[in-house]
Amino acid sequence: DVKVTQSSRYLVKRTGEKVFLECVQDMDHENMFWYRQDPGLGLRLIYFSYDVKMKEKGDIPEGYSVSREKKERFSLILESASTNQTSMYLCATGRREQYFGPGTRLTVT
Amino acid sequence: QQQVKQSPQSLIVQKGGISIINCAYENTAFDYFPWYQQFPGKGPALLIAIRPDVSEKKEGRFTISFNKSAKQFSLHIMDSQPGDSATYFCAASISNAGNMLTFGGGTRLMVKP
Repeated sequence: DVKVTQSSRYLVKRTGEKVFLECVQDMDHENMFWYRQDPGLGLRLIYFSYDVKMKEKGDIPEGYSVSREKKERFSLILESASTNQTSMYLCATGRREQYFGPGTRLTVT
Repeated sequence: QQQVKQSPQSLIVQKGGISIINCAYENTAFDYFPWYQQFPGKGPALLIAIRPDVSEKKEGRFTISFNKSAKQFSLHIMDSQPGDSATYFCAASISNAGNMLTFGGGTRLMVKP
């Protein structure tokens, strides 16, 4: 079974803090993705990576950056958290079929 | 602007009934149409998928109907069960564009016993 783990299930941060969300996959997949999930908007792609040290912007990259130093690990960084970044963040890996982690519910106060 | 529009946003069905969720897309380059199922506290998981060269795909109680000319596809859940209560997302992707998925807004399904 594919396993995608995310560093935290729940996170509360203050406005202006730097936030790191980490994702690890055990399937040796090249592709990894970060989405945010908001009610009524579905899942929106923030960034994706198709190889180590490679990254591409998704639909909503503003306010986020990513890091992929190792194949199995993909990190999402909020340089200066804002309240409008309160959301559920989902990491995924795979090619045509994507496998998702359980998500991190981030609250920025 | 959402490229994949999903309806309804929420749906309540009696046990044993048929649940129907609809999606419409705009980009004719999409060539893969999966449905994902998400239970509370979990990430989405692939439920069933279809390619545009077929009009219907069935797996157990779950069926995708695909209408290429109308640019629409739908998920039918036959004999709906309380265990089917979840959020369902349709999606679409393009094979030669990195297989990035574009998701619909989601439908929260509740099946009443």
